[in-house]
Amino acid sequence: GAVVSQHPSRVICKSGTSVKIECRSLDFQATTMFWYRQFPKQSLMLMATSNEGSKATYEQGVEKDKFLINHASLTLSTLTVTSAHPEDSSFYICSAEGQGRSQPQHFGDGTRLSIL
Amino acid sequence: QKEVEQNSGPLSVPEGAIASLNCTYSDRGSQSFFWYRQYSGKSPELIMFIYSNGDKEDGRFTAQLNKASQYVSLLIRDSQPSDSATYLCAVESGYSTLTFGKGTMLLVSP
Repeated sequence: GAVVSQHPSRVICKSGTSVKIECRSLDFQATTMFWYRQFPKQSLMLMATSNEGSKATYEQGVEKDKFLINHASLTLSTLTVTSAHPEDSSFYICSAEGQGRSQPQHFGDGTRLSIL
Repeated sequence: QKEVEQNSGPLSVPEGAIASLNCTYSDRGSQSFFWYRQYSGKSPELIMFIYSNGDKEDGRFTAQLNKASQYVSLLIRDSQPSDSATYLCAVESGYSTLTFGKGTMLLVSP
């Protein structure tokens, strides 16, 4: 089945640091990847849709300049949290849509980001 | 505002029983519906997806969809303690984006 790899799984860093998270589709090409954020006891909130070769589409309220998304190839999308602050601490999860019409999204293992 | 509603639970069932998880959605134009399982501290795992009205069975799992009532459910037969998790209902809300419910916590007691 479709496998999505996300790295790193956990990051602890100081306030002001920029953090890059990678999302790879291992056995299929993903023209579209998605980035979600999940706070404790809350559901997944879509942050942005990442399209290969074009600019990402951000959801309302998500700062483009703070959450930089790059989708340079059909198997890799990256999310960079720039100048992270404690309120950015969360569980970040990427997903990739399988090939074909209306295929389910498959999720990476997530990245737990803790900003001190 | 497209919404997906789930009872937060917890839903407690004894081992071997049938667990019934329910979800309603607001966007009548939604076409694709998904159930994900999420263990604590982990990312969601796809359980089932359904596109057409009626039932879809896969092993111990059955998804049921009623578009007229804007209702989708997941039945888990012969529930096991390892099924204890939060179950997320997700509805495709256009251009492949998913809207998630807050999830229902299921507790299966031995």
